[in-house]
Amino acid sequence: GESVGLHLPTLSVQEGDNSIINCAYSNSASDYFIWYKQESGKGPQFIIDIRSNMDKRQGQRVTVLLNKTVKHLSLQIAATQPGDSAVYFCAEKDSGGYQKVTFGTGTKLQVIP
Amino acid sequence: DTGVSQDPRHKITKRGQNVTFRCDPISEHNRLYWYRQTLGQGPEFLTYFQNEAQLEKSRLLSDRFSAERPKGSFSTLEIQRTEQGDSAMYLCASSFLSNTIYFGEGSWLTVV
Repeated sequence: GESVGLHLPTLSVQEGDNSIINCAYSNSASDYFIWYKQESGKGPQFIIDIRSNMDKRQGQRVTVLLNKTVKHLSLQIAATQPGDSAVYFCAEKDSGGYQKVTFGTGTKLQVIP
Repeated sequence: DTGVSQDPRHKITKRGQNVTFRCDPISEHNRLYWYRQTLGQGPEFLTYFQNEAQLEKSRLLSDRFSAERPKGSFSTLEIQRTEQGDSAMYLCASSFLSNTIYFGEGSWLTVV
């Protein structure tokens, strides 16, 4: 759900389990979506992206699913590892020619060893 | 390391002083972006350059903020007459056309 101020939604996952992080977006005109991982004190790190003409894309241990009907994006991490602990942001870009990427509310992933 | 480079990484300044941050994008990336991030929030877009042209500016970019990219390579973000509310991490990012946007490690600003 929505977070306010410092209270990020948190997902706690046992090491080795799969993680699913969800994101809802509101702009129907968005045509490009990105997931970033951000560790404490560092800049966002690109994980995977997907364009609106696709509904699924796979990377190494990660899969992004896009459901344009309900404006929902998810990031699946297989066999979650302690190094996956971070804040994850989904981001979107409008198809209307603007180049800015708009970030959603982050989700904090805590991996329990 | 050939990623996006930002300098300085940390800056503490007194209220009312001017500060300048520098960003060196990934080589051959023609697009450069500045974002601001406060604790617990996602990055917020400030401005974007394609080569040396500043093409988009957010309403967040008040008249105390100015960004330049004079030769289409590195960029500077200057904040004049800093206020405590300017305390944040300033992130630079770059991309080649509409491809993946890569971020630097950010420049932390603390205004005291």
